Amino acid sequence: EVQLVESGGGLVKPGGSLRLSCAASGFTFSSYSMNWVRQAPGKGLEWVSSLSGVGTFIYYVDSVKGRFTISRDNAKNSLYLQMNSLSAEDTGVYYCARDKGSGCPDYWGQGTLVTVSS
Amino acid sequence: DIVMTQTPLSLSVIPGQPASISCKSSQSLLHSDGKTYLYWYLQKPGQPPQLLIYELSKRFSGVPDRFSGSGSGTDFTLKISRVEAEDVGIYYCMQSIHLPLTFGGGTKVEIK
Repeated sequence: EVQLVESGGGLVKPGGSLRLSCAASGFTFSSYSMNWVRQAPGKGLEWVSSLSGVGTFIYYVDSVKGRFTISRDNAKNSLYLQMNSLSAEDTGVYYCARDKGSGCPDYWGQGTLVTVSS
Repeated sequence: DIVMTQTPLSLSVIPGQPASISCKSSQSLLHSDGKTYLYWYLQKPGQPPQLLIYELSKRFSGVPDRFSGSGSGTDFTLKISRVEAEDVGIYYCMQSIHLPLTFGGGTKVEIK
């Protein structure tokens, strides 16, 4: 069974940093690209970043370029999102999602809540 | 960026009746490989999104056959042949032909 468990969310002040983690199990982690997708409170879904299986290809939505860094440790079956220079607009639930191919997130974790507030 | 526009914003359906959701993209989602990179998700209350339909019309593992996807180019439809109580939530369309991946604004489905 595919399982994705996010952690690392919390309350952070504007300008601060946070590192999210996603622990994967139930599939061969290194064979899949992975995504981060976020959802502001009461709003829709916004794709944030993708990383290919061996880390060759990395993509970000424009609003986080230069501030967020996606990475992975295939030995630990883990995906990460380092978030710097956070602002209120970054507040939301961050989901880790496996990519079934062709940019399609298929399995999603339960999400971790990031709140940026003074 | 490709803009995905869903209608209606909300839908109230009697159990057992059909329902239909429309999604329009600002660019064609038909790739030169012949695939259409259009997906449908359902986000049930308090849960993460779950994939229903991929590549226009293929049902994901475990998805009941009352869900079907159709359309072409820039106009797409998700149909539920007979709505059940467990189908309540917000439905999103999404495209992956071009980055960034973009989602529609969502259609909330409720039971009458």
